[in-house]
Amino acid sequence: GAVVSQHPSWVICKSGTSVKIECRSLDFQATTMFWYRQFPKQSLMLMATSNEGSKATYEQGVEKDKFLINHASLTLSTLTVTSAHPEDSSFYICSASAGGGPREQFFGPGTRLTVL
Amino acid sequence: AQSVTQLGSHVSVSEGALVLLRCNYSSSVPPYLFWYVQYPNQGLQLLLKYTSAATLVKGINGFEAEFKKSETSFHLTKPSAHMSDAAEYFCAVYVSGGYNKLIFGAGTRLAVHP
Repeated sequence: GAVVSQHPSWVICKSGTSVKIECRSLDFQATTMFWYRQFPKQSLMLMATSNEGSKATYEQGVEKDKFLINHASLTLSTLTVTSAHPEDSSFYICSASAGGGPREQFFGPGTRLTVL
Repeated sequence: AQSVTQLGSHVSVSEGALVLLRCNYSSSVPPYLFWYVQYPNQGLQLLLKYTSAATLVKGINGFEAEFKKSETSFHLTKPSAHMSDAAEYFCAVYVSGGYNKLIFGAGTRLAVHP
């Protein structure tokens, strides 16, 4: 149980285009989903936290108009990278949690984005 | 503010040797601590977690960690390394207030040599 999927697993796009990444909790209801960014050989940096049906909370320094997050249901959250540029190339990982408090976050397999 | 520091960005051990990955935390409240493992091009998998119960926590794949308040440490150990243990390991602390946010350490890359 507690499986989180991401789609696509990798994507290559041209500069200036937008890319949508989906994160799904397959066998539980995720009241909270998280989006992380990971540069090569570095740690995970939290970008934003979202609760189903409400606006995402972005970390300091993350452009909310650049990285659009939608948490439309208890099993789906999407991250859209708008007007992508080469510096947006990174590994994007989502995680999901079933509730508040120090509960375990279940991580998706990640999406490798390359912007040409 | 809560944070974790992982000492040693790279650790190399021989197969069968003891694995010790270090993590120190900073927290003004009793912390909840986690160890995750990441294999190349994959997401994170939970190894174990400390949530104020037993100080010695056993996890998957033979790993364990001991919470030591006096040393503000939560080091990860495994008695005998296996080649399949080669991966990136992250220590994380739960940040209270608002959503259950995790703050990750910089990570330690474990290499296992035959």
